[in-house]
Amino acid sequence: AQTVTQSQPEMSVQEAETVTLSCTYDTSESDYYLFWYKQPPSRQMILVIRQEAYKQQNATENRFSVNFQKAAKSFSLKISDSQLGDAAMYFCAYREYGNKLVFGAGTILRVKS
Amino acid sequence: DGGITQSPKYLFRKEGQNVTLSCEQNLNHDAMYWYRQDPGQGLRLIYYSQIVNDFQKGDIAEGYSVSREKKESFPLTVTSAQKNPTAFYLCASSNRQANQPQHFGDGTRLSIL
Repeated sequence: AQTVTQSQPEMSVQEAETVTLSCTYDTSESDYYLFWYKQPPSRQMILVIRQEAYKQQNATENRFSVNFQKAAKSFSLKISDSQLGDAAMYFCAYREYGNKLVFGAGTILRVKS
Repeated sequence: DGGITQSPKYLFRKEGQNVTLSCEQNLNHDAMYWYRQDPGQGLRLIYYSQIVNDFQKGDIAEGYSVSREKKESFPLTVTSAQKNPTAFYLCASSNRQANQPQHFGDGTRLSIL
């Protein structure tokens, strides 16, 4: 079974600084999709960014970017110019065609002003 | 606006009682999912449905039941067999293509009286 591991239970970053959240996964598939979701205190799940495994180019969405290392099965999220509104729980998730989403345990991100 | 509606927002269950959580979507999505989230934890899949009148067990299906009679609706029943039902429940939906993200409802918090 596929597994997703987030090794950092909690991270802190100073406002305006950059932080990187780690995620590794285990799969024998070659074609799959990876996602980062954000869950603020409101408990809503918000999609931050997605990456298709067949694309070598790392996905970017404004201040959010990923470092996708397919051979290492690593999918880290970089948040640049951190803002107070970025404080949330972040989940890494894996999905293959026609299959369910597998989530990591999450990383709590605290942003200090 | 299209979206996913979960109701109620808060629900209380008495000992030995079955309760049903509602999930409705108007996104025309084929697939729907139910997740359970315990405090400080990630999301665990309870049940999912890829198409009307069909559903599969997730990782923690014991003590839960679902139905999928309509494309728009995927209610979850927490039965008396679920001995520890206190948790936050999230419903999600998506197109069946793996590159499409899951969209989430705002969740239902279930507590035992």
